[in-house]
Amino acid sequence: NAGVTQTPKFQVLKTGQSMTLQCAQDMNHNSMYWYRQDPGMGLRLIYYSASEGTTDKGEVPNGYNVSRLNKREFSLRLESAAPSQTSVYFCASSEHLAKNIQYFGAGTRLSVL
Amino acid sequence: DAKTTQPPSMDCAEGRAANLPCNHSTISGNEYVYWYRQIHSQGPQYIIHGLKNNETNEMASLIITEDRKSSTLILPHATLRDTAVYYCIVRVALGAGNNRKLIWGLGTSLAVNP
Repeated sequence: NAGVTQTPKFQVLKTGQSMTLQCAQDMNHNSMYWYRQDPGMGLRLIYYSASEGTTDKGEVPNGYNVSRLNKREFSLRLESAAPSQTSVYFCASSEHLAKNIQYFGAGTRLSVL
Repeated sequence: DAKTTQPPSMDCAEGRAANLPCNHSTISGNEYVYWYRQIHSQGPQYIIHGLKNNETNEMASLIITEDRKSSTLILPHATLRDTAVYYCIVRVALGAGNNRKLIWGLGTSLAVNP
């Protein structure tokens, strides 16, 4: 049982490049989340998906887009990467939005030069 | 807007109990307190949560004061593998309805020493 799987684990981009971070969960959870973690700050919610077919903005959505491809997969896209998006990105899932026991992936470490 | 206050760091000897405090004086009456931890370079891991009664599971115990303004996470026999950042978290509204999101602060960095 893999839980939450994120790919890639590491990525280096040049300013202006685009990329998609992939996330998949095998726990049949309804809700999925994308966070970023920066030094000296707590995790911040970028986007979330309460259930398949829905997505909503979190605290820091600017510069990102998401797709809830199906119940298992929730991707995060950077259309034009900026150095300010250098961060560690975590995907998480939970049974549903009101139940805040979240299961996290191992993270994607992204550097934008 | 962390809503919780934790000491930035603590030390504990291996095999001893680790008691991690948290202040959440503005918590509302029907809000839970959640604890997660993050081992270096890994994703956060859920530990335990509670409302007003003390809670225990296979990982830890959670003691919540009667006025609910503070709580303590107890790792009864800390091991080196418990070295991690521990987050005490409360929730705030997320969108419309009764949904809530977790508000993450900086946590307590616990070092378990041999």
